Amino acid sequence: GAGVSQSPSNKVTEKGKDVELRCDPISGHTALYWYRQSLGQGLEFLIYFQGNSAPDKSGLPSDRFSAERTGGSVSTLTIQRTQQEDSAVYLCASSSKGRASGRTKMSSSYNEQFFGPGTRLTVL
Amino acid sequence: RKEVEQDPGPFNVPEGATVAFNCTYSNSASQSFFWYRQDCRKEPKLLMSVYSSGNEDGRFTAQLNRASQYISLLIRDSKLSDSATYLCVVISGSARQLTFGSGTQLTVLP
Repeated sequence: GAGVSQSPSNKVTEKGKDVELRCDPISGHTALYWYRQSLGQGLEFLIYFQGNSAPDKSGLPSDRFSAERTGGSVSTLTIQRTQQEDSAVYLCASSSKGRASGRTKMSSSYNEQFFGPGTRLTVL
Repeated sequence: RKEVEQDPGPFNVPEGATVAFNCTYSNSASQSFFWYRQDCRKEPKLLMSVYSSGNEDGRFTAQLNRASQYISLLIRDSKLSDSATYLCVVISGSARQLTFGSGTQLTVLP
């Protein structure tokens, strides 16, 4: 079946411009996450949506960053007035459940996150 | 101190070698642990969960040491296709508090 898709795959923008990144999660997945990965770094959590609950925005680095999830499906991450330090790969992930469980099987992890291919953002 | 720390490597090993990575975590209340694999310029994918009793899947063995707050990944008889970055993931509290390590880079040489 279709996995998580993200668009665009690459985005080059000038400093100060706004950008919108899109994520289409796996159909039926209620949880959606946004992460940022800078070169050679791990994943930095940005924001988490679970169903109709208020999103967890605790990872957003500044008020220039915002995200929406319409209809419980597609999500858009918006970065306003982009800065060079915003350059990174922005990854979206979805999972069928949001809450972690204790013991999980390798191939059917209760809270396994399936990642999209990411959007590589370059701010000049 | 970072919540989750990994040796970045790189680890360069010959085919057939056994290699092990460790990952330490700072939150003693952490509940769930995973290893993800990320190929160059690709998205991370779940490799395996980590249990207190340890778990094995083919050539891969994952273990958790709660007392010392670290998890490990052992790869036996390494293959060229094992070359990737291995990310440890620690979940504390709800799934929202999911923290990725910065990854350990492995290159298996012919």
